[in-house]
Amino acid sequence: DSGVTQTPKHLITATGQRVTLRCSPRSGDLSVYWYQQSLDQGLQFLIQYYNGEERAKGNILERFSAQQFPDLHSELNLSSLELGDSALYFCASSVGGDFSYEQYFGPGTRLTVT
Amino acid sequence: QQQVKQSPQSLIVQKGGISIINCAYENTAFDYFPWYQQFPGKGPALLIAIRPDVSEKKEGRFTISFNKSAKQFSLHIMDSQPGDSATYFCAASSSNTGNQFYFGTGTSLTVIP
Repeated sequence: DSGVTQTPKHLITATGQRVTLRCSPRSGDLSVYWYQQSLDQGLQFLIQYYNGEERAKGNILERFSAQQFPDLHSELNLSSLELGDSALYFCASSVGGDFSYEQYFGPGTRLTVT
Repeated sequence: QQQVKQSPQSLIVQKGGISIINCAYENTAFDYFPWYQQFPGKGPALLIAIRPDVSEKKEGRFTISFNKSAKQFSLHIMDSQPGDSATYFCAASSSNTGNQFYFGTGTSLTVIP
């Protein structure tokens, strides 16, 4: 158990809908990262927050947004969902703001868009 | 464009053998190269990582070899065990150019007893 929690575990929704994925980092970790894992795109970095501020941005679509709250939990919002958004979404956390700090991954949220 | 190219896609090794997974990159700004291990139904977990100022790093049965001039790095798993059967991802990041993080496409390793 990495200490990172993600909810929900599974999510099934229809195209055009909006969903929110939630992540609670390990105690003491200030950074939260979001990743998407799909069969055709592999594992992709989406976005990083550090102590409430956006720190780095990867291949995140404009339909997706994220935020980190004062208690350091984070939410990833996915809107206008398309079939291609079906994937595993992982959250990871680390104590520092640089990628060289060890990242601890949560169990993931499996999103299915029908 | 794939920033980090990983091979092979899959690998089958006998128990006790050496597993070797290779990665190559183009961006010379990358300054941190981790390897992740992922079991089915789980998130990736950091296995071992290296910076470009060293050519090799060893942790137990796992070794990273790094060739800066060739822009290649590889993971060697010595005395491979069935419990090592998992998907392995190499990755690269740069703290100097927008703080990006890129994964390879993954290698599915099966260790046969």
